[in-house]
Amino acid sequence: DVKVTQSSRYLVKRTGEKVFLECVQDMDHENMFWYRQDPGLGLRLIYFSYDVKMKEKGDIPEGYSVSREKKERFSLILESASTNQTSMYLCASRSSGDNEQFFGPGTRLTVL
Amino acid sequence: GEDVEQSLFLSVREGDSSVINCTYTDSSSTYLYWYKQEPGAGLQLLTYIFSNMDMKQDQRLTVLLNKKDKHLSLRIADTQTGDSAIYFCAESRNYQLIWGAGTKLIIKP
Repeated sequence: DVKVTQSSRYLVKRTGEKVFLECVQDMDHENMFWYRQDPGLGLRLIYFSYDVKMKEKGDIPEGYSVSREKKERFSLILESASTNQTSMYLCASRSSGDNEQFFGPGTRLTVL
Repeated sequence: GEDVEQSLFLSVREGDSSVINCTYTDSSSTYLYWYKQEPGAGLQLLTYIFSNMDMKQDQRLTVLLNKKDKHLSLRIADTQTGDSAIYFCAESRNYQLIWGAGTKLIIKP
């Protein structure tokens, strides 16, 4: 049974804090993705990674960075959280040569 | 998802058919997807259609693709309360997925 897990379901942080969101997949997938989901806007791609230590900017990378030190783990970092980063964050993974993305349950982040 | 458009809400009575529509822009997309997001959960792949097909049926689900009009639809027959969710349309482009904003399906008793 394929599985993508995210470290927290709910997170509350203060403006200016550094925030780490962790994602782990057990399917040996090469590709991993971070999206944010906002009402009426659907999913917007923040960053993705197609291999260990590789990363590519998505559509809205500003204010975020990522880390992929191991194949199974993809971390999203908010260097200095701001209120406009309050959102649902979704991690996904995909095998190369396949189109289907498998999603984690999401982390709802609130920045006060 | 400015390239993929969906209505934000659809309300249907329990037992009726639901039809969720989507338009996309890239005629070279090879696959088109429907994902389902239940409340408080991540997204799960519901079904997909290859671009050289015009229809795909899977139990209560029927996907129709009109390539000429770049229009995709998802029909759910005999809609149940468990079908309450947000349904996302997505097109594949260079192994990325371009997402619609999602249609929230509301079931009336």
